[in-house]
Amino acid sequence: DQQVKQNSPSLSVQEGRISILNCDYTNSMFDYFLWYKKYPAEGPTFLISISSIKDKNEDGRFTVFLNKSAKHLSLHIVPSQPGDSAVYFCAAILTNTGNQFYFGTGTSLTVIP
Amino acid sequence: NAGVTQTPKFRILKIGQSMTLQCAQDMNHNYMYWYRQDPGMGLKLIYYSVGAGITDKGEVPNGYNVSRSTTEDFPLRLELAAPSQTSVYFCASSAVNTEAFFGQGTRLTVV
Repeated sequence: DQQVKQNSPSLSVQEGRISILNCDYTNSMFDYFLWYKKYPAEGPTFLISISSIKDKNEDGRFTVFLNKSAKHLSLHIVPSQPGDSAVYFCAAILTNTGNQFYFGTGTSLTVIP
Repeated sequence: NAGVTQTPKFRILKIGQSMTLQCAQDMNHNYMYWYRQDPGMGLKLIYYSVGAGITDKGEVPNGYNVSRSTTEDFPLRLELAAPSQTSVYFCASSAVNTEAFFGQGTRLTVV
């Protein structure tokens, strides 16, 4: 039973434009959300996070939006760069059950020069 | 500062063999995790630990065992390897309500 879902397996964007990656979740008890970036043959690396008490967090070119009523999370990358091409995973944490991380299936982003 | 270190990076096992995947972290994190990633799938939690001496099952624990005798180490044991255990395995560690740090992964093939 997938509690965190990324319904778009892939996304292609022109360099300089905005990339929007989406994530939906089913468990309203999640209290922390994160985005990870993964290159082939490497482990996932942390990108940005947001607490469930906030609705937006920015870090440079990356902004994460949280809509709790819709149980929806999105990552905006502006402007997109070729080096952003990677697989992006969203994740959610349940801190009251051993701080478990639940991951989506990933979206492969390709930024076209 | 090494972060999370996994060994080995690659391994080929025959059906029925056993092996231990090693994981060590030097960030003094209480929480440690083992995930597997199959092609086209997300990361599935195998086992996790909230501190030395405490472990618990995740989503896909069958065929695996873990131990946590120290804060730093969290080995994953595969007993009687099966082709369904062919996957990429990631170890991670975290503090509470913060990001998890991942190792580089172990690519395991069972033939």
